[in-house]
Amino acid sequence: QVQLVQSGAEVKKPGASVKVSCKASGYTFISYYVHFVRQAPGQGLEWMGIFNPNGDTTSYAQKFKGRITMTRDTSTTTVYMELNSLRSEDTAVYFCTRGPTGTTDFDNWGQGTLVTVSS
Amino acid sequence: SYVLTQPPSVSVAPGQTARISCGGSNLGSKSVNWYQQKPGQAPVLVVYEDSDRPSGIPERFSGSNSENTATLTLTRVEAGDEADYYCQVWESSGDQYVFGTGTKVTVL
Repeated sequence: QVQLVQSGAEVKKPGASVKVSCKASGYTFISYYVHFVRQAPGQGLEWMGIFNPNGDTTSYAQKFKGRITMTRDTSTTTVYMELNSLRSEDTAVYFCTRGPTGTTDFDNWGQGTLVTVSS
Repeated sequence: SYVLTQPPSVSVAPGQTARISCGGSNLGSKSVNWYQQKPGQAPVLVVYEDSDRPSGIPERFSGSNSENTATLTLTRVEAGDEADYYCQVWESSGDQYVFGTGTKVTVL
């Protein structure tokens, strides 16, 4: 079955970086985009960026440009999202999710990774 | 940037119908997706491309989209439908994916 398994919770200091992994299995990896979406405590969902495994191209939300990088491990079906210059407002649960190429929905989600930014 | 506006909350009695609106400029020209999120869980896709349901989603969930408003309709509401619901679109001019503000559905 389709699975997106994310790395564990992280605690970071302001100014540091965090790298969240998302391992995909159970489907044809290059046929689906991988997105990252975050949710601050008690808040709504916020799209961060998209990774297309068929060509390794990316596109990021304007808000995160310059601070975010999405990459993949070429030997596995793992996508990484790195966010730099962390601040307290980046405290959130970060989800990876997939979307079928040619569509705009997110049909399967990872379990989420809590990132806490605190001095 | 493109904004999708939802009512913060909707209350409904068991067995009744809940309608959740999602408003945006010229929304009818876009493809709207809906997600259900229960506390502590990841979101689940319940309607895609305005009105289609993924496999495993009950027929009680339906969607529509016209002009500036999309609507998610939950018929014969059950206690298990209590959750937050989000609409979502892809905004082509900015190549951005946008979520609505979210609606908390309470089953009385």
